[in-house]
Amino acid sequence: GESVGLHLPTLSVQEGDNSIINCAYSNSASDYFIWYKQESGKGPQFIIDIRSNMDKRQGQRVTVLLNKTVKHLSLQIAATQPGDSAVYFCAENNAGNMLTFGGGTRLMVKP
Amino acid sequence: DSGVTQTPKHLITATGQRVTLRCSPRSGDLSVYWYQQSLDQGLQFLIQYYNGEERAKGNILERFSAQQFPDLHSELNLSSLELGDSALYFCASSPGTSGITDTQYFGPGTRLTVL
Repeated sequence: GESVGLHLPTLSVQEGDNSIINCAYSNSASDYFIWYKQESGKGPQFIIDIRSNMDKRQGQRVTVLLNKTVKHLSLQIAATQPGDSAVYFCAENNAGNMLTFGGGTRLMVKP
Repeated sequence: DSGVTQTPKHLITATGQRVTLRCSPRSGDLSVYWYQQSLDQGLQFLIQYYNGEERAKGNILERFSAQQFPDLHSELNLSSLELGDSALYFCASSPGTSGITDTQYFGPGTRLTVL
């Protein structure tokens, strides 16, 4: 598969545990935030989004939390599964539809 | 499968050459975006087209150009290639009708290797 970011921060969790992936964004004027998952050899896949007028949004097994005071975004994955192993990117929309991506975090799930 | 297709999947070429990457958006999507993903720069926005017109420009080099055709497919042209242009190039598409919450769906990418 493709190597994306050989020096990415890595989060290693046990299968069944909850995972929390953090992201600091840069622009306090950003209005919309997205989490993407990128598996080896594939393009980024949309997971969940949140607008700046919310501080929490839940999906299926995933929750995104937004703290605008400290410009922090987190993705929580419940009951992490081996299929969740991937690189996770946060992205902010701060100039029209031009997404600015964070550096990514590699999630490794141990069976 | 996002519904966005990109060809070719892999491309190997030499410095100084020119290549064209092709993208077909999801059915009904009017916006197409191009991104470059390299090991040291991460995912970088290059350019956006909406219904055939350039909408936004990011960190796109002058050696690179793009266009969106009437059938909404898009091509990214990379010329005078340098070793540093080796990267994954992704196309994404979105409906183009939801403002800033217009979700972008990514294709599988084209891996360009410049030797």
